[in-house]
Amino acid sequence: EPEVTQTPSHQVTQMGQEVILRCVPISNHLYFYWYRQILGQKVEFLVSFYNNEISEKSEIFDDQFSVERPDGSNFTLKIRSTKLEDSAMYFCASSDRTIRSTDTQYFGPGTRLTVL
Amino acid sequence: ILNVEQSPQSLHVQEGDSTNFTCSFPSSNFYALHWYRWETAKSPEALFVMTLNGDEKKKGRISATLNTKEGYSYLYIKGSQPEDSATYLCAYQTDSWGKLQFGAGTQVVVTP
Repeated sequence: EPEVTQTPSHQVTQMGQEVILRCVPISNHLYFYWYRQILGQKVEFLVSFYNNEISEKSEIFDDQFSVERPDGSNFTLKIRSTKLEDSAMYFCASSDRTIRSTDTQYFGPGTRLTVL
Repeated sequence: ILNVEQSPQSLHVQEGDSTNFTCSFPSSNFYALHWYRWETAKSPEALFVMTLNGDEKKKGRISATLNTKEGYSYLYIKGSQPEDSATYLCAYQTDSWGKLQFGAGTQVVVTP
């Protein structure tokens, strides 16, 4: 069964460093998302992406964040200068969003980012 | 209700017993309600997408109902098994652009 994959599973970085989190969405999907969950908090939306453009972004998604689909398969989230508060589990999701009743977002297993 | 709330936060169930728990969400601007099952270190697994008031969906021993007028959904597990142990997340969606607003989850522990 097709699945969303994410690499790495765990990333440790120093404050101020740049990190790139990678995702491979399900191959025929056209809509891509990043969410994150800070330990002990709810999963929260960061950004959605369609047709090589950001569709929507949350207040969290400031100038330090960017997303890119560099080729036909990968979808990346870059954090330019990491802060301690960026430590979280980051989830990628994808959807084909063709029919409302099956408008499922399929999630990857997440990348745990630890900023020291 | 302005946020998505789930209750209880956690529950312990004996194997074979049935259980249910709640997701409350804003009744305005409703587009869809999603349920996910999430085991530690795995991807959240999509269970249901519910869109119509009165919807009932079933997947094996797990089922869900939806009341969009009053803003709640119930998830039921019939005859709980240890493999049902997981965190169950609901997520509210206000439009077709797809942003999901999650509840904090209900952690279910099924003991043999």
